[in-house]
Parts: sequence; structure tokens; C-alpha cells
Amino acid sequence: GAVVSQHPSWVICKSGTSVKIECRSLDFQATTMFWYRQFPKQSLMLMATSNEGSKATYEQGVEKDKFLINHASLTLSTLTVTSAHPEDSSFYICSARPTGTGANVLTFGAGSRLTVL
Amino acid sequence: SQQGEEDPQALSIQEGENATMNCSYKTSINNLQWYRQNSGRGLVHLILIRSNEREKHSGRLRVTLDTSKKSSSLLITASRAADTASYFCAFWNSGNTPLVFGKGTRLSVIA
Repeated sequence: GAVVSQHPSWVICKSGTSVKIECRSLDFQATTMFWYRQFPKQSLMLMATSNEGSKATYEQGVEKDKFLINHASLTLSTLTVTSAHPEDSSFYICSARPTGTGANVLTFGAGSRLTVL
Repeated sequence: SQQGEEDPQALSIQEGENATMNCSYKTSINNLQWYRQNSGRGLVHLILIRSNEREKHSGRLRVTLDTSKKSSSLLITASRAADTASYFCAFWNSGNTPLVFGKGTRLSVIA
């Protein structure tokens, strides 16, 4: 089945540093990937839609200069949290939508827990 | 984006009992999906039901869809402790818009 690898699974960093999270589809191509943020005991909040070869589409209220998304290939999207602060601490999850018709189901990465000190 | 509403927000049952979770939405949909999330992990797709279907089964899972009421339910029969997780309904509003998730139901199955 479709597998999405998300790395790192957890990261601790100092305030002011930048952190990159990778989302890689291992056995399928994904023109579109999605990045979500999740707070404890809450649902997933969509941050942005990542499109291969073009700029990401950010949801309202998400700072594009703060959360840089790059989707350089059909199997890799990255999220970089720039100049991280403690309020950026959260669980970040990516998902990938397989390229092609009838792609209704998303495959999710295992998530990345970011803690900013 | 239009979020789905789920109830209950939390559900605690004994092992062997059935668990029912409900999801309501406001837009027209082509299909509705249910996902499961273990604590601190990503989501796993459970089942998809199309708008022209009323009921679908997969193992111990039974999903219903009532498009006239814009609601869906997920039934887990003969629950096990390993079913403890959060369950989310999700749907595409239209076209290539992002998948919209409900607020989720946290299920605890007590052995």
C-alpha cells in the first residue's frame, strides 16, 4: 500500500532556529501534498496545500514567510519553520494525494512533534 | 474551509461493546471518509462511502451515510482495547479543495 515517510518524528530546537520537516511518498507520486498542524486533543488544522512545481497555497492566517513549503519533486515536500518560537511547538502532519484520477484517499505521514525551547 | 461536526467528542466503553460515532456536514459531497488516529501518530484511512451509497461494511466497521440529513455514522462492533484512538470523518468539499476533517471523537475502550 501507499506509504508516506515523514521525518523527523520529533525535534527539539532553540528559539530562533529553523527546522525542516520532510514528507516523502515512498511508492507513489503525489502532485499534491497537504500540511496540517494539530494541537492536543484537537482536530487537524490545514496549514497549506503543496503543489509540485508551483507555489504552495496557504490557508488564511498561516504566515507563508514563517512556514516555508517546497514541493520540488513528485515525491517530496518540505515544511520549514523559520525562526521558531515556543508558540510554534505543535504536532505537524503531512499527507499526500496520489497523482491520477479517483485519488480520494490521503496517505498520512506519522507526524513530527516540534518542541521549541 | 467547512469543518464537519462529530459527536460525541469523547466516548468511553467497555471491551466487547459497540461504539457509535456520528458526523454531520453542511456542503454537498461526493464521498465521505473515516480516519483513525492513534495518540501522537498520523492518520490511517479506514473506509470511504460514496454519496450514492447508504451503508458500507469493512470487518467490524459499519458506516452509514444519509445525504438528505448530511450525516454519517461509524459503528465499531465488539470493540477491543486496541480500538482506542481518535476517529475523524473527512470529505472533499469540491474539486481539488483540501480534505476537510471533522473535530473527531476520542474513543476509549476499557479492557
